[in-house]
Amino acid sequence: EIVMTQSPATLSVSPGERATLSCRASQSVSSNLAWYQQKPGQAPRLLIYGASTRAAGIPARFSGSGSGTEFTLTISSLQSEDFAVYYCQQYNNWPLLLTFGGGTKVEIK
Amino acid sequence: EVQLLESGGGLVQPGGSLRLSCAASGFTFSSYAMSWVRQAPGKGLEWVSDISGSGGSTYNADSVKGRFTISRDNSKNTLYLQMISLRAEDTAVYYCSKVGVPAAGTPVFDIWGQGTMVTVSS
Repeated sequence: EIVMTQSPATLSVSPGERATLSCRASQSVSSNLAWYQQKPGQAPRLLIYGASTRAAGIPARFSGSGSGTEFTLTISSLQSEDFAVYYCQQYNNWPLLLTFGGGTKVEIK
Repeated sequence: EVQLLESGGGLVQPGGSLRLSCAASGFTFSSYAMSWVRQAPGKGLEWVSDISGSGGSTYNADSVKGRFTISRDNSKNTLYLQMISLRAEDTAVYYCSKVGVPAAGTPVFDIWGQGTMVTVSS
């Protein structure tokens, strides 16, 4: 099983600042990585797929990068609606053994 | 509007059974694989099961293998999760999700339902 590790667990950021979230895979997943955003009491929402492609309707302030085992989600200028938990997920072995990271909570500093 | 609506959650005793449903609308249901993903209280996301668009292929996480069965009725645009031998650790919000393929080779969970809570407790 591919283990996904996200860091930090919690990130305190002021509105307008940049946030950088990390995701590491225990073995290469190529670019088969997605990012999701989840707000309290809501279902997750797809942000990024293919490690760097924004999903439909996702603002340009969200960007993804990386390949292999190291990935980054960057939010260039945090808006109030961006404070949430973010999960990475690998789909390298689709349809089997899909795994999520433990999540990074982005909170207001 | 593309929509997924789960139902069937509730309180069940350890060892009991429950069947979840997910009604889909706004897209050609039979053209897409579907999945169940769960989230224990205060915890992260865990993939549970997948099913192909035709229903002919299914896949399960090791944690539910032999206990959970995913199925679908394309004539009713509905996805199911039959759960037996339930354990306390199965307590979670269960989400159904549409597997979109926005680009070749990119199966991702692009649409999610609002979730249904399953509590396994005596």
